[in-house]
Amino acid sequence: SYELTQPPSVSVSPGQTARITCSADALPKQYAYWYQQKPGQAPVLVIYKDSERPSGIPERFSGSSSGTTVTLTISGVQAEDEADYYCQSADSSGTYVFGTGTKVTVL
Amino acid sequence: EVQLVQSGAEVKKPGESLKISCKGSGYSFTSYWIGWVRQMPGKGLEWMGIIYPGDSDTRYSPSFQGQVTISADKSISTAYLQWSSLKASDTAMYYCARHTAAAPFDYWGQGTLVTVSS
Repeated sequence: SYELTQPPSVSVSPGQTARITCSADALPKQYAYWYQQKPGQAPVLVIYKDSERPSGIPERFSGSSSGTTVTLTISGVQAEDEADYYCQSADSSGTYVFGTGTKVTVL
Repeated sequence: EVQLVQSGAEVKKPGESLKISCKGSGYSFTSYWIGWVRQMPGKGLEWMGIIYPGDSDTRYSPSFQGQVTISADKSISTAYLQWSSLKASDTAMYYCARHTAAAPFDYWGQGTLVTVSS
């Protein structure tokens, strides 16, 4: 089955840059999407189609893609960005899968 | 305003059946897929499947095929997730979310906590 692998955790100081990777185990890679989930809340879409940002999402959130790896970058991290982040993509059959999740800790 | 409102928390015993709901409003319910996501306690998100209320076309993750049934009643703009025989391992938070061509899961429900315990 299709798998998306993320680092379990990323720690960053306020104002610094956090980068979260998401690696697919097979080609071809479909578009990737990123969600932020804070404790006790439903996830929120922060990036779609690899690098597009929904309205209302701060500009410090950006996405990029290279080969079978996509990256979510949070520039100038703020305390409120502390959350779990999940990537998502589709497999060749049209069903979707979430990544393993990354906990971002703001030091 | 797009809203997805889910039914309330449930406490069930193993072997019992259950159907939880997700009511959409603020958009054309029959024009967008609705999906379901499981989150077990302290764990990550799992994509379960999606349904197109316009024609009830349904797709399941292989992990959930045969374990749950996804359905929809377009007359009342509501999608459902149901189990015929619950197990303790079904204990989780279940979210519904709207799926679009541009962005799977752009709007989410508030979640329904299902607890299965004897």
